[in-house]
Amino acid sequence: EPEVTQTPSHQVTQMGQEVILRCVPISNHLYFYWYRQILGQKVEFLVSFYNNEISEKSEIFDDQFSVERPDGSNFTLKIRSTKLEDSAMYFCASSEGVGENIQYFGAGTRLSVL
Amino acid sequence: KNQVEQSPQSLIILEGKNCTLQCNYTVSPFSNLRWYKQDTGRGPVSLTIMTFSENTKSNGRYTATLDADTKQSSLHITASQLSDSASYICVDFYGNNRLAFGKGNQVVVIP
Repeated sequence: EPEVTQTPSHQVTQMGQEVILRCVPISNHLYFYWYRQILGQKVEFLVSFYNNEISEKSEIFDDQFSVERPDGSNFTLKIRSTKLEDSAMYFCASSEGVGENIQYFGAGTRLSVL
Repeated sequence: KNQVEQSPQSLIILEGKNCTLQCNYTVSPFSNLRWYKQDTGRGPVSLTIMTFSENTKSNGRYTATLDADTKQSSLHITASQLSDSASYICVDFYGNNRLAFGKGNQVVVIP
């Protein structure tokens, strides 16, 4: 069964460093998303991406964050200058369409900012 | 203000027993209401999706109900199994393709 894959599974970085989290969405999907989940808290929407541009973003997704689809398969989330509070599990998801379409989630990347 | 409230926060049930999880949502305009299962350290997996015109939907031993008038939903797990131990998250799909997640109901099934 096709799945969303994320790499790395765990990323450790120093505060102030840039990190890039990588995702390979399901191949025929057109909509891509990033979510984060701080330990012990609920999942929070960051951004949705369609047709090579951001379609929606939350208040969390500030200028420190950016997303890119550099080629036909990868979808990346970049955090320019990490802060301690960026430590969280980051989930990538993809869907064929919107509305009632299922969003399929990857297993996540645990980001630890020291 | 939480857009999606779930109760109970956690519960322990015996293998083979049934349980019901509750969700209240406030976000509008409402598009659809979803239940996800999240195993520890994994991404959420979709269980059910219901539009406002549907009041019940099943997926195997999972049955979700929806009352769009009172903005309440429930997830019923029948004949629980050890593998049902997970967090069950109620999600309000609203706006232009955005999901608002509840904090989840943590279910532990014991033998």
